Amino acid sequence: DIQMTQSPSSVSTSVGDRVTITCRASQGISSWLAWYQQKPGKAPKLLIYAASSLQSGVPSRFSGSGSGTDFTLTISNLQPEDFATYYCQQANSFPFTFGPGTKVDIK
Amino acid sequence: QVQLQESGPGLMKPSETLSLTCTVSGGSISSYYWNWIRQPAGKDLEWIGRIYSNGNTNYNPSLNSRVTMSVDTSKNQFSLKLTSVTAADTAVYFCAREMGGPNWVFDHWGQGTLVTVSS
Repeated sequence: DIQMTQSPSSVSTSVGDRVTITCRASQGISSWLAWYQQKPGKAPKLLIYAASSLQSGVPSRFSGSGSGTDFTLTISNLQPEDFATYYCQQANSFPFTFGPGTKVDIK
Repeated sequence: QVQLQESGPGLMKPSETLSLTCTVSGGSISSYYWNWIRQPAGKDLEWIGRIYSNGNTNYNPSLNSRVTMSVDTSKNQFSLKLTSVTAADTAVYFCAREMGGPNWVFDHWGQGTLVTVSS
């Protein structure tokens, strides 16, 4: 199985800040990576797919980059509704696997 | 807008078989892959497996021997059976649709249903 790691595990930040989350795959996955946002008691929401493609309806302050084994999710101008946990998922091979999550909370 | 809704028992005993159904509304179940994903409280998301509208399946090897998925296109539903459950199977279970094409990512999710395994 492809193992996914994320850093940091949590970050405290403020409205208006820029946040960068890193995801690393244990082997190359080309650009087959997605990012999700999850709020407590809710299902994950797809933000980014194919490493850098913005899902329809997702604000442009979310952006993704990377290929191979190293990927980043950047949230610019953080808004109150962005405080949540973010997960990466490799979509390269079975079984699909997720990272352990990065919690973004208010400083 | 496609919506998914999970249904099934909330509480089970060890060794029983878990049966969950996901009902799809607002769109057809045809021509997509449909997935089950679970999340134990405070833990990572785990992909269980997927089924195509024609019945083709892929399962996570870690659960393969205990998992069976099925689809009923006439009812726009797909289902999960997990045998011989233990406390380790306690989790929120989500059903989700794959985006389609080459992107094996999940663009529509159900709200999730909590399954607790306890004697």
